[in-house]
Amino acid sequence: EAQVTQNPRYLITVTGKKLTVTCSQNMNHEYMSWYRQDPGLGLRQIYYSMNVEVTDKGDVPEGYKVSRKEKRNFPLILESPSPNQTSLYFCASSPPRTATHNYGYTFGSGTRLTVV
Amino acid sequence: SQQGEEDPQALSIQEGENATMNCSYKTSINNLQWYRQNSGRGLVHLILIRSNEREKHSGRLRVTLDTSKKSSSLLITASRAADTASYFCATISGGSYIPTFGRGTSLIVHP
Repeated sequence: EAQVTQNPRYLITVTGKKLTVTCSQNMNHEYMSWYRQDPGLGLRQIYYSMNVEVTDKGDVPEGYKVSRKEKRNFPLILESPSPNQTSLYFCASSPPRTATHNYGYTFGSGTRLTVV
Repeated sequence: SQQGEEDPQALSIQEGENATMNCSYKTSINNLQWYRQNSGRGLVHLILIRSNEREKHSGRLRVTLDTSKKSSSLLITASRAADTASYFCATISGGSYIPTFGRGTSLIVHP
């Protein structure tokens, strides 16, 4: 089944303890992206990647790192989590847009992170 | 930066009625997409409309796009309780390949 898999689904951690949220897609998509969703603020993009070894900052990159060493995986790293990073996180992927083809994103099921 | 803004923020209707949600955006776009999100779950892509298209249908969904007004609407006909969800529009502009999402419309369909 074509899907984007995020792990874990739920995570409670303490301030300052490094964590990684994994994201993997099995559709050979070039584009991958991380979003956080907060009440009243909608989805805000954290980082995105247009291909292997190519990553760019989104709207809210502070406090996050990503890597794209292989096409299928795009982990989100919080080196020193803080309570304001408590949020619902989504990973998404898509084939590249071309002149004749436009695609929507496929989203993972989300990771609910609580930093205490 | 938020590009699309949905209106209304919340909509409550009875099963069988039609639901209309609107999305306005600020800058010219390549395409506009609508997504559905069930509570706490990932977003599901519903429909994509290109900037040179004016209307698109998919089952009970009808999307229109008016580039002169920089707006789009999503119509769900004959709504069902299972349509209860949040609906987001997302735009792709210029050379960007990454959608920018609005804050969403929360739809409740009462059985």
